[in-house]
Amino acid sequence: KAGVTQTPRYLIKTRGQQVTLSCSPISGHRSVSWYQQTPGQGLQFLFEYFSETQRNKGNFPGRFSGRQFSNSRSEMNVSTLELGDSALYLCASSLGSGGRDEQFFGPGTRLTVL
Amino acid sequence: AQKVTQAQTEISVVEKEDVTLDCVYETRDTTYYLFWYKQPPSGELVFLIRRNSFDEQNEISGRYSWNFQKSTSSFNFTITASQVVDSAVYFCALSAYNTDKLIFGTGTRLQVFP
Repeated sequence: KAGVTQTPRYLIKTRGQQVTLSCSPISGHRSVSWYQQTPGQGLQFLFEYFSETQRNKGNFPGRFSGRQFSNSRSEMNVSTLELGDSALYLCASSLGSGGRDEQFFGPGTRLTVL
Repeated sequence: AQKVTQAQTEISVVEKEDVTLDCVYETRDTTYYLFWYKQPPSGELVFLIRRNSFDEQNEISGRYSWNFQKSTSSFNFTITASQVVDSAVYFCALSAYNTDKLIFGTGTRLQVFP
């Protein structure tokens, strides 16, 4: 069974631009969560989607948004990029029973904002 | 509020030594889930174990073992006879009932020297 895939793996953008990151969960998984990892703040929760609905949201500004499609694939978008948005963005998928299942992570997208 | 504390920022051991990584959590929920993940230099988070709050049995998997104690709100991880391949950052995480949102600790960097 294929694991969680994330595209692109690396991205370089400039301040003010916007970016879209994609995550394809493990087949059969209906829940997708996104996390931001930085050296200063560690791993922080961004959002959680289940069956195309946002089930939970972290404390990030409105520039961070996401969505989930009917095939469970998910995208997150960051508009008006700031230098501080440089991070590793990780996506995780699970069957979606809310904590009762293992969550598997993708390899991440490393975003650099110049 | 939920919180996970990993007080050990970095641990260095020599191969074949046993090492214990500490994890202390805070939650007001009666039902919750605890996780350990390994992040090797490649960056991908690798799932190691999930425990629910009603199961305090210790678990052993090969050289890995976990000690869950609700009385002290701790979920410690021991690696027996450490190997160089165990070098990584290890994260403890907590999720509440009915959500896949993970609250991560700050991680413990383990370096195993030959």
